[in-house]
Amino acid sequence: EPEVTQTPSHQVTQMGQEVILRCVPISNHLYFYWYRQILGQKVEFLVSFYNNEISEKSEIFDDQFSVERPDGSNFTLKIRSTKLEDSAMYFCASSEPRGDYSNQPQHFGDGTRLSIL
Amino acid sequence: EDKVVQSPLSLVVHEGDTVTLNCSYEVTNFRSLLWYKQEKKAPTFLFMLTSSGIEKKSGRLSSILDKKELFSILNITATQTGDSAVYLCAGAQGTGNEKLTFGTGTRLTIIP
Repeated sequence: EPEVTQTPSHQVTQMGQEVILRCVPISNHLYFYWYRQILGQKVEFLVSFYNNEISEKSEIFDDQFSVERPDGSNFTLKIRSTKLEDSAMYFCASSEPRGDYSNQPQHFGDGTRLSIL
Repeated sequence: EDKVVQSPLSLVVHEGDTVTLNCSYEVTNFRSLLWYKQEKKAPTFLFMLTSSGIEKKSGRLSSILDKKELFSILNITATQTGDSAVYLCAGAQGTGNEKLTFGTGTRLTIIP
């Protein structure tokens, strides 16, 4: 069964450094998302992306964050200058194209555990 | 602010028991309610419910949505140790971006 793949599985970075988290969504999917889960807390929405642009972002997704689809397969999340509070599991998700009155479930990758020292 | 509340927060039962997990939601422009199972890593999709009163089944798991009461339940019958996981409920908006608002999850532990 096709799946969303994320790399790396674990990233350790010094505070203030830039990180790029990578995702390969399921191949026929057109909607892409990033979520994060701080240890012991809820999964939180960060950003949704469709047709090469951000369709919505949360308050968490400030100027330090950016997303990009650099080619036909990858979807990346960049954090420009990491802070201690960015330590979390970051999940990428994707979903299929949908009609006007239906939607498709989001399928999640295994996540990247980001640890900021 | 959108909100999804799950109960109980945790549940410990014996293998073979039946469990019911609860989810209430307040989601702007609500489109659908999704259930996921989270073991070690990725939330794994279980059900998506869009219409009220129509039960969805997959093996021993079933789920139903009540759009009047803004509520959903997930039932698991004849539980097995492999059902031990965190079960997440999420509300999806229907405004195009369809961001998911998650609850805190119910941690289910099945004792052999």
